[in-house]
Amino acid sequence: GNSVTQMEGPVTLSEEAFLTINCTYTATGYPSLFWYVQYPGEGLQLLLKATKADDKGSNKGFEATYRKETTSFHLEKGSVQVSDSAVYFCALSDPDTGGFKTIFGAGTRLFVKA
Amino acid sequence: EAGVVQSPRYKIIEKKQPVAFWCNPISGHNTLYWYLQNLGQGPELLIRYENEEAVDDSQLPKDRFSAERLKGVDSTLKIQPAELGDSAVYLCASSLVSSRSNEQFFGPGTRLTVL
Repeated sequence: GNSVTQMEGPVTLSEEAFLTINCTYTATGYPSLFWYVQYPGEGLQLLLKATKADDKGSNKGFEATYRKETTSFHLEKGSVQVSDSAVYFCALSDPDTGGFKTIFGAGTRLFVKA
Repeated sequence: EAGVVQSPRYKIIEKKQPVAFWCNPISGHNTLYWYLQNLGQGPELLIRYENEEAVDDSQLPKDRFSAERLKGVDSTLKIQPAELGDSAVYLCASSLVSSRSNEQFFGPGTRLTVL
């Protein structure tokens, strides 16, 4: 079946470091891809998305590019802040359900130290 | 604008007891989702509503779980009887419409502990 695999955490970085969180997917067809973020005590919220190959999603300094050839959607940020500490979830819209079902990865916890 | 509201935020019950969770989606959102999130895992869909119709309940364990969305607005998820393995966070989400690129808005979740 369709699935999402993301790098295990926790990831611990110092402030202003470069961030990469790897995400790869398995899907029949052409899913949309998402990154959601969950701050402590809050619900998940959409960070960025890409709906077709080679699209780049970006928001709040984060970006990710839909790479069909490598089935990847890695999340990057050039300079992280303490306030970026959260759990990040990679997700796809399941083509087998017409895209109506979202499949989430296990999440990657990020700690940023001052 | 108010976000997705869930209550209670925390619930502790003995096994075999019933429990119910309530969700009020963002006003005007037609699609409502209930997810289960186990510790260290991503959310897994339990049921999806389009207005008051359950259009995908294939992952809902129907022997003990039930859900309703009367009038197509707020929703209740029930477990009866609860088992130890039901301890998890139950998330509610809503979206304006269903589409392959839709943004879902999540509530803070209800953390259930079954003793």
